[in-house]
Amino acid sequence: GEDVEQSLFLSVREGDSSVINCTYTDSSSTYLYWYKQEPGAGLQLLTYIFSNMDMKQDQRLTVLLNKKDKHLSLRIADTQTGDSAIYFCAESISRDDKIIFGKGTRLHILP
Amino acid sequence: EAGVTQSPTHLIKTRGQQATLRCSPISGHTSVYWYQQALGLGLQFLLWYDEGEERNRGNFPPRFSGRQFPNYSSELNVNALELEDSALYLCASSLRQDRWETQYFGPGTRLLVL
Repeated sequence: GEDVEQSLFLSVREGDSSVINCTYTDSSSTYLYWYKQEPGAGLQLLTYIFSNMDMKQDQRLTVLLNKKDKHLSLRIADTQTGDSAIYFCAESISRDDKIIFGKGTRLHILP
Repeated sequence: EAGVTQSPTHLIKTRGQQATLRCSPISGHTSVYWYQQALGLGLQFLLWYDEGEERNRGNFPPRFSGRQFPNYSSELNVNALELEDSALYLCASSLRQDRWETQYFGPGTRLLVL
């Protein structure tokens, strides 16, 4: 069945790079997403990648996709205190299909 | 421009009762999505409405239902409430053609079932 797995916690020093990893089981996944949830600020879509791409970069964010291993990662360069949040990995098979989320990774920034 | 709004912000019910949650999408958005965020279970997709019709639903029992009105606002109804229905219910909206790529989320309704 469909499943998305991610580690629950990650601690990173301010200024370092954060790498949040995610694995998914459905090889039919076409769309892969990263969402960010901050306390009091709701949930927002950070970025997404199509399965025909290996990498997508957007300012400090880099998404890497390894389709063979069904592995998705989100790299945040120069991590700042404002990056402290829960990051959800998600996938969907098509634009008309439901979206499946991981349980979220809580990113903690150390001073 | 007003964002996605949800009401009420908090709701307390007892087991067996019914809960109704409301969502108003961003003006111009015709697609509305509902999610449940329960402790320990992460974020789960509940329902998706597109121009008044239910387009897809997650793995939830039929006592979770909803509808979308002609003005594209939406209601989520949960019948025969159970303790494990306690969660934050998030609503999101998007333009029909953008689907998941540009969803905007509301602040959520926190439902507590006693």
